[in-house]
Amino acid sequence: KNEVEQSPQNLTAQEGEFITINCSYSVGISALHWLQQHPGGGIVSLFMLSSGKKKHGRLIATINIQEKHSSLHITASHPRDSAVYICAVDAGGTSYGKLTFGQGTILTVHP
Amino acid sequence: NAGVMQNPRHLVRRRGQEARLRCSPMKGHSHVYWYRQLPEEGLKFMVYLQKENIIDESGMPKERFSAEFPKEGPSILRIQQVVRGDSAAYFCASWQGQGTDTQYFGPGTRLTVL
Repeated sequence: KNEVEQSPQNLTAQEGEFITINCSYSVGISALHWLQQHPGGGIVSLFMLSSGKKKHGRLIATINIQEKHSSLHITASHPRDSAVYICAVDAGGTSYGKLTFGQGTILTVHP
Repeated sequence: NAGVMQNPRHLVRRRGQEARLRCSPMKGHSHVYWYRQLPEEGLKFMVYLQKENIIDESGMPKERFSAEFPKEGPSILRIQQVVRGDSAAYFCASWQGQGTDTQYFGPGTRLTVL
């Protein structure tokens, strides 16, 4: 079993829909990251969080430390949101900042 | 403030050759991480370096791979005697340190071994 599991693996939505991507992890963490990767492109960090909730534009990330679960929400989705969304955890300790990644969720938003 | 820079962006090598991948962290960042993304697979940690020190190399293959982050200049990931299985995207990320901002990723180097 992977330390970081994401669901769903693939997600298709119509423009304007509300989208949720889930991430569960099995280890203690100091922080959780949500990343975005476009096909053939680089990786952009969307959020780093260790508790509660963060919002940036149409993106919202939440984390429940007790349940070892995080969600990424996209409101009013748009075709330009189509990308791979990756959850990653930082277990802290001596290798602070070292990330373990989920397998990614491929999001396709149709106009 | 320029972002994390990696070069080359694309690198083609024949089996047995050496590949050198460079990463210049963001200004003021002393922590560098290298990650590898094999085709159709997720990202995997390779090595964590601070200036002149390897902190964690638990993700590095035991042979042919090495990394350094000298006092001056970029971090280098070196792959000797490349094989087809080394074909992947190699990303580096830099970070200012604990309790600060998130990591920033470079654009990656796509290595193709013929």
